Amino acid sequence: QVQLVESGGGVVQPGKSLRLSCAAAGFSFSECPMHWVRQAPGKGLEWVAVISYDGDVKYYADSVKGRFTVSRDNPKNTLFLQMNSLRGEDTAVYFCGRSHPRRKVGGLDYWGQGTLVTVAS
Amino acid sequence: DIQLTQSPSSLSASVGDRVTITCQASQDIRNSLNWYQQKPGKAPKLLIYDASNLEAGVPSRFSGSGSGTDFTFTISSLQPEDIASYYCQQYGNLPPYTFGLGTKLEIK
Repeated sequence: QVQLVESGGGVVQPGKSLRLSCAAAGFSFSECPMHWVRQAPGKGLEWVAVISYDGDVKYYADSVKGRFTVSRDNPKNTLFLQMNSLRGEDTAVYFCGRSHPRRKVGGLDYWGQGTLVTVAS
Repeated sequence: DIQLTQSPSSLSASVGDRVTITCQASQDIRNSLNWYQQKPGKAPKLLIYDASNLEAGVPSRFSGSGSGTDFTFTISSLQPEDIASYYCQQYGNLPPYTFGLGTKLEIK
């Protein structure tokens, strides 16, 4: 049974940093591209970043490029999102999700429950 | 970047009604479109992948169609448990993998 569990959210001041983690279980993590998607309070979904199965290829939304870094530790079945220079508009629930290993990269077939990041002074 | 125009933004329908949501892409994305359901306080759930394929375990009253730039999501007979927000998402080429703005579905 596929499980994705995010952690690391909390309240942080503008300009500070935070690192999110996503622990994966129940599937072959090292075969799957992985994503971060966020949702500001009361708003829609915003795709944030993707990392290839081996960690070699990464893409970011323009809104986070240069500030956020996605990475993964395949032996530990864990995905990360390092968020630097945080802004108020980064306040959101952050979801991790996976792309099915034999489907097109980009769609997400499983999602975690999300972790809330609040950027406020 | 590819933009998605999803409509309507909200919809009120009765149990048993046929419900349709549309999603239009700003350029050809072939069949690279998913549909998700999200209930309040929960993670999104994949319903339809590659425009028309029903995800395993999803009731057959949900369906999707379309290719190129125009896509449709249909609930053939609305059930009370279908009350949620619905989102389309494209993955037609390189990232960003954009989402539509969503449709909030309510029971009349």
